[in-house]
Amino acid sequence: RKEVEQDPGPFNVPEGATVAFNCTYSNSASQSFFWYRQDCRKEPKLLMSVYSSGNEDGRFTAQLNRASQYISLLIRDSKLSDSATYLCVVKAAGNKLTFGGGTRVLVKP
Amino acid sequence: ETGVTQSPTHLIKTRGQQVTLRCSSQSGHNTVSWYQQALGQGPQFIFQYYREEENGRGNFPPRFSGLQFPNYSSELNVNALELDDSALYLCASSLGTSPGEQYFGPGTRLTVT
Repeated sequence: RKEVEQDPGPFNVPEGATVAFNCTYSNSASQSFFWYRQDCRKEPKLLMSVYSSGNEDGRFTAQLNRASQYISLLIRDSKLSDSATYLCVVKAAGNKLTFGGGTRVLVKP
Repeated sequence: ETGVTQSPTHLIKTRGQQVTLRCSSQSGHNTVSWYQQALGQGPQFIFQYYREEENGRGNFPPRFSGLQFPNYSSELNVNALELDDSALYLCASSLGTSPGEQYFGPGTRLTVT
């Protein structure tokens, strides 16, 4: 079983719609959680950290469920520019970031 | 732009050869992590360097090695290249060894034929 698993998609989303997807992690000792965004042929960039109580950043909402060991990302009012691969990232104790395989989102007019 | 630079941008090597990839970290960052990203997959942690010492390693064989210099720039060396080493190699810089955020460079795309 992979340490961090994501549905690869693609999620085809009409512009203006809401899309949500999850990521599961296997290490119950994981301490920190992040969503990174990666555009085609570009480097990953931090989208947002994920806090225990859930957090929002504009149209993006992240949730953490420690009991079931998953995190989620919800995008409201999708824009064409939201088309990207969204990488779930988990950090256990220490310095290693473990990335999921990514979920591809395609927003269409 | 993150301020993290990598060179070269693209590289083609033959199986069995050796390669050196370079990374300059963002100003003020003392930690560099290296990742391998195969096509269609997420980045896989290779190792991290902090103050010129290796500070953690992923599941990569010893033919993957690295260095960090006093100015915090870093090199990734891969010996005895295999076809499966073809990937995008990313370096990420951060301040400290347990970062909340890492800043990635644009990557070096290595093709092994």
